[in-house]
Amino acid sequence: DVKVTQSSRYLVKRTGEKVFLECVQDMDHENMFWYRQDPGLGLRLIYFSYDVKMKEKGDIPEGYSVSREKKERFSLILESASTNQTSMYLCASSPGDSSYEQYFGPGTRLTVT
Amino acid sequence: GENVEQHPSTLSVQEGDSAVIKCTYSDSASNYFPWYKQELGKRPQLIIDIRSNVGEKKDQRIAVTLNKTAKHFSLHITETQPEDSAVYFCAAKLFSGGSNYKLTFGKGTLLTVNP
Repeated sequence: DVKVTQSSRYLVKRTGEKVFLECVQDMDHENMFWYRQDPGLGLRLIYFSYDVKMKEKGDIPEGYSVSREKKERFSLILESASTNQTSMYLCASSPGDSSYEQYFGPGTRLTVT
Repeated sequence: GENVEQHPSTLSVQEGDSAVIKCTYSDSASNYFPWYKQELGKRPQLIIDIRSNVGEKKDQRIAVTLNKTAKHFSLHITETQPEDSAVYFCAAKLFSGGSNYKLTFGKGTLLTVNP
């Protein structure tokens, strides 16, 4: 059974703080993704990674960076948090090869005050 | 890039009725179309998917149809039950090199099944 975990379910940070969100998957998946989920806007891709140390920008990368030093771990970094980054953040992973199913983590509800 | 439009944004049906959610995509090179269900407070989970070489796929009470010419695909749920109440997301995958695993999601449909 695929397991994707995220470091926090709820997080409250102040404007200007540096924020780290961590995601870990235990199924040796090649691909990992970070999404942001806002009401009425669906799931928007921030960044994804198809290999260790490889990353590609998604649709809304501004204000975010990522790190993938190990295959199982994908981190999302908010260099200087702003109130418009208050959102639900979802991590996902997918195996690669001919399998495209994405397995999601439970989400981190981030509030920036 | 790919753009996915999903309609309706909300759908309310009576238990036992059918529900249909429709999506359109912009890039004819897209070749994989999954549907995800997200129950309240839970993570999205894949419920059915279809690849571009198939026109229809069924799994018990759910089915997906694909019209490549018109670039649209639909989710059909028959004999709806209260536990079908959730947000449903369609998505499309563009067949393209290093971004081969990237999905573009629709904005979601909130389905409410009234007992």
